[in-house]
Amino acid sequence: EPEVTQTPSHQVTQMGQEVILRCVPISNHLYFYWYRQILGQKVEFLVSFYNNEISEKSEIFDDQFSVERPDGSNFTLKIRSTKLEDSAMYFCASSVRRDEKLFFGSGTQLSVL
Amino acid sequence: DAKTTQPTSMDCAEGRAANLPCNHSTISGNEYVYWYRQIHSQGPQYIIHGLKNNETNEMASLIITEDRKSSTLILPHATLRDTAVYYCIVENGAGSYQLTFGKGTKLSVIP
Repeated sequence: EPEVTQTPSHQVTQMGQEVILRCVPISNHLYFYWYRQILGQKVEFLVSFYNNEISEKSEIFDDQFSVERPDGSNFTLKIRSTKLEDSAMYFCASSVRRDEKLFFGSGTQLSVL
Repeated sequence: DAKTTQPTSMDCAEGRAANLPCNHSTISGNEYVYWYRQIHSQGPQYIIHGLKNNETNEMASLIITEDRKSSTLILPHATLRDTAVYYCIVENGAGSYQLTFGKGTKLSVIP
């Protein structure tokens, strides 16, 4: 079965540094998403992306966050100036249509020191 | 906030059917019931979804009550690999893009 690929699997960074989390969605999917999960807490929606623009975003997705689809295959999440509270597992997901099932990647564990 | 209520945890013997309940008493007519699961901090995995009718696929069956205020996910023959947190999610597939995850039910399949 096709799968969503995320790199790196672990990322350690210093507070205030910029990080870019990378995702390769399934090739024929049109909708892309980022979710995050702080250790021991719920999976939280960050942002959805369709037709090269943000479709919806949560309150968590503030000015420090941005997303981009730089080419036909990659989907990235950038955090400009990381904070301790950004430490979490970040999941990328994609779907064919917005009312179809989401396929999630295995996540990037971000640790901000 | 999540629109669903699920038990915090459940146990099931290996090989037996696992029946996971979910209450969604405020569900509206155009909202779907989705089930996802998360195995040990991996990415959530889609299981099944439905609107009104019962649904079955290769992974599970979904039974939705006639008034749509509750549903049950059935794993017909649970294996140790089915140990996971199971999330029942109610969303309007034609509206919001986001899935709102609650705390889910931690299912432990016991040998």
